[in-house]
Amino acid sequence: NAGVMQNPRHLVRRRGQEARLRCSPMKGHSHVYWYRQLPEEGLKFMVYLQKENIIDESGMPKERFSAEFPKEGPSILRIQQVVRGDSAAYFCASSLMAGNTEAFFGQGTRLTVV
Amino acid sequence: DQQVKQNSPSLSVQEGRISILNCDYTNSMFDYFLWYKKYPAEGPTFLISISSIKDKNEDGRFTVFLNKSAKHLSLHIVPSQPGDSAVYFCAATGKGNNFNKFYFGSGTKLNVKP
Repeated sequence: NAGVMQNPRHLVRRRGQEARLRCSPMKGHSHVYWYRQLPEEGLKFMVYLQKENIIDESGMPKERFSAEFPKEGPSILRIQQVVRGDSAAYFCASSLMAGNTEAFFGQGTRLTVV
Repeated sequence: DQQVKQNSPSLSVQEGRISILNCDYTNSMFDYFLWYKKYPAEGPTFLISISSIKDKNEDGRFTVFLNKSAKHLSLHIVPSQPGDSAVYFCAATGKGNNFNKFYFGSGTKLNVKP
């Protein structure tokens, strides 16, 4: 029973490029959450998605960031025209039910913008 | 605004002794609290949680205490073991956001010395 899978584990992008981060939830889970961790800080909520729906995107920056969770395939967090300040660890979590207070986290994608 | 605070960035404890990690929150709407443990280059792993209807929850060597009037919770690890060395994050959520969004503290790095 594989856990939450994120890829790539490490991603290096030049300023202005696009970054795509993928998250495959645990089997049977249809709720996905994205968090960002800046250096020396805690995780900050970005977005909550169910299959084909964005439920809460209150933590997403207004520009350049988008997320989707299609009917088939992984959830994607997309960052366009990356800047140095986007360098962070991005974690995805999944849960079986909405409001499940024991979400399981993936190992994260560390994005470095050079 | 930081709604969940962990004011001690690090803690060093001798093996076999008690480790006490503290967490404060400001939002009185929070009614469910969790502790996560995180090793370097891995995602957070759920450790223990507590609902606001309780003031204590115990699981093996781990006990979480909640003081609602003080908006304070603590995690006790007894006895501490070298394998407990990790970063510990406190998180909070509540009915106000349908338990869908966790607010994390900035973490406390625990070092258990053999």
